[in-house]
Amino acid sequence: KNEVEQSPQNLTAQEGEFITINCSYSVGISALHWLQQHPGGGIVSLFMLSSGKKKHGRLIATINIQEKHSSLHITASHPRDSAVYICAVRLRVTGYALNFGKGTSLLVTP
Amino acid sequence: DAGVIQSPRHEVTEMGQEVTLRCKPISGHDYLFWYRQTMMRGLELLIYFNNNVPIDDSGMPEDRFSAKMPNASFSTLKIQPSEPRDSAVYFCASTPSQGFGSPLHFGNGTRLTVT
Repeated sequence: KNEVEQSPQNLTAQEGEFITINCSYSVGISALHWLQQHPGGGIVSLFMLSSGKKKHGRLIATINIQEKHSSLHITASHPRDSAVYICAVRLRVTGYALNFGKGTSLLVTP
Repeated sequence: DAGVIQSPRHEVTEMGQEVTLRCKPISGHDYLFWYRQTMMRGLELLIYFNNNVPIDDSGMPEDRFSAKMPNASFSTLKIQPSEPRDSAVYFCASTPSQGFGSPLHFGNGTRLTVT
């Protein structure tokens, strides 16, 4: 069983919509990462959080340590946001290694 | 800063051949990771190094896989002999040693196809 579960698996939205992607994990973590992978395949780190909330432009990431849950929000979505969004956790017991969710494939249509 | 550099970008080889993937981490980064991505399993950690020393290789599938980091600016992942099930995208990533608060920097990956 994967320790990291993401939902939804696939998401289609119209330009301008508010988008939420969820990530749940089952074990103690030291940090949680949100990654973005574009169709070309490159992976970019969006956020790294261990508590609270972070904002970068139209992207907001939150984490609730007690509930073992994180969300990635995209406000005023745009077709260029179309990508796979991957949640990854750094488990306390594994040090620097990351466990990954399967990703959420987002398509934003004009 | 050129980022994490991987080579080659694409590799097509026949079953049984040796494959060597290369990675140059960002200068000053103490940690280097090798990941594999497949449609079925997503991203998986294969091995990671700290200051050129392998720390966790529990994700290396079997003895056919080996990884080295002879110095702070170069690492290789070798598969010998290669099999069709090794077909995947292999990513290298690096991060500085700043506790658990460091973002990860990924290379563009090597797409390996074993026929």
